[in-house]
Amino acid sequence: DIVMTQSPDSLAVSLGERATINCKSSQSVLNTSNNDKYIAWYQQKPGQPPKLLIYWASTRESGVPDRFSGSGSGTDFTLTISSLQAEDVAVYYCQQYYSTPLTFGAGTKVEIK
Amino acid sequence: EVQLVESGGGLVQPGRSLRLSCTGSGFTFGDYAMSWFRQAPGKGLEWVGFIRSKAYGGTTEYAASVKGRFAISRDDSKSIAYLQMNSLKSEDTAVYYCARVAAVILHWYFGLWGRGTLVTVSS
Repeated sequence: DIVMTQSPDSLAVSLGERATINCKSSQSVLNTSNNDKYIAWYQQKPGQPPKLLIYWASTRESGVPDRFSGSGSGTDFTLTISSLQAEDVAVYYCQQYYSTPLTFGAGTKVEIK
Repeated sequence: EVQLVESGGGLVQPGRSLRLSCTGSGFTFGDYAMSWFRQAPGKGLEWVGFIRSKAYGGTTEYAASVKGRFAISRDDSKSIAYLQMNSLKSEDTAVYYCARVAAVILHWYFGLWGRGTLVTVSS
């Protein structure tokens, strides 16, 4: 199984400041034939289902604000919120879909400082 | 409106069975693979299993924690995916979400989620 390790567990960021969440996979999730990286990022607000933000490690889902961006390669990936807004308070999860079982990171809770 | 709605959750005794339903609307249900996830109270997301669309064979895969106890099926004529849960254990207590893959071309990231249904396994 591919283990996804997220860091930090939580972070508090001032409004308008940058938030950076890291996700490390225990093995490569890169398809070397086409350079696709099998990583998705989700946002989950209290009492709500997850919402897809990013797939293929860096492709923003339709309707997601451009302050959200994803990057990374091989086994190390990052979700960045460039300018934190109040509505971004949530838990963020990375997920690998390179192989089954599909696995998630433990989540990173983002709060306002 | 494109949406998924789960139903069938509730309180069930250990060892008993329960069947969850996930009804889709606003899209061609049969074109998409469907998956079930769960989230124990205060915990993170766990994949339970998925079922491919008929175009991809309609086959299923499961997490090790539920394999042999849970079964996913689909009735595309009714736009419903099912999660049959047998031999339930206390550790199966969670909110269960169904989700649809984001695109017809099969890759396992999920762009549409239901609001979830709570399953509580307790005597």
